[in-house]
Amino acid sequence: GENVEQHPSTLSVQEGDSAVIKCTYSDSASNYFPWYKQELGKRPQLIIDIRSNVGEKKDQRIAVTLNKTAKHFSLHITETQPEDSAVYFCAASRTGTASKLTFGTGTRLQVTL
Amino acid sequence: EAQVTQNPRYLITVTGKKLTVTCSQNMNHEYMSWYRQDPGLGLRQIYYSMNVEVTDKGDVPEGYKVSRKEKRNFPLILESPSPNQTSLYFCASREIPGQRGTEAFFGQGTRLTVV
Repeated sequence: GENVEQHPSTLSVQEGDSAVIKCTYSDSASNYFPWYKQELGKRPQLIIDIRSNVGEKKDQRIAVTLNKTAKHFSLHITETQPEDSAVYFCAASRTGTASKLTFGTGTRLQVTL
Repeated sequence: EAQVTQNPRYLITVTGKKLTVTCSQNMNHEYMSWYRQDPGLGLRQIYYSMNVEVTDKGDVPEGYKVSRKEKRNFPLILESPSPNQTSLYFCASREIPGQRGTEAFFGQGTRLTVV
């Protein structure tokens, strides 16, 4: 089955700096890669996703890049703000029936003033 | 409003006392699943269901049961809870992933403590 590794487990940045979280996956058939943000005491919520037919996707201050050859994808947050502090999860899945979202172990991002 | 609703939010129980955590979604999604979240381990899938009366094991199914008698509901049953099932549980639903992949919508979570 799929295995997703995520690094780092914790990340502290100063407000205004950039943050990068990296994930690798094992199943070469995976072609859907979402990122979820979980604020303290809340449920995970999708912030951005990328499919295997594109290499990069951007939405305001967040971007995701995908390298299918190396089987890794990354989340980039620019101009970080205190409200970016949360736990971020990457995930990978195939498409089609019975495809399962396999999550990474999470990154706790702390944005300090 | 599209949502996934879990109940209860918090539950403290004793070892061996059967319990059920309910999950309901109003988006007509076929695919529903249960995850447990533990520090350092991320979200691990317990069970999933592709439609009514169709369920299957995820990565950590031991000690859990599920049922899917109606499309909107997917309860998680712990027949004989043990302390190692103390965790934060999330129900999630999504459309059957077609060719594009689909977003998973999560419930609010249930924090279970087994003493």
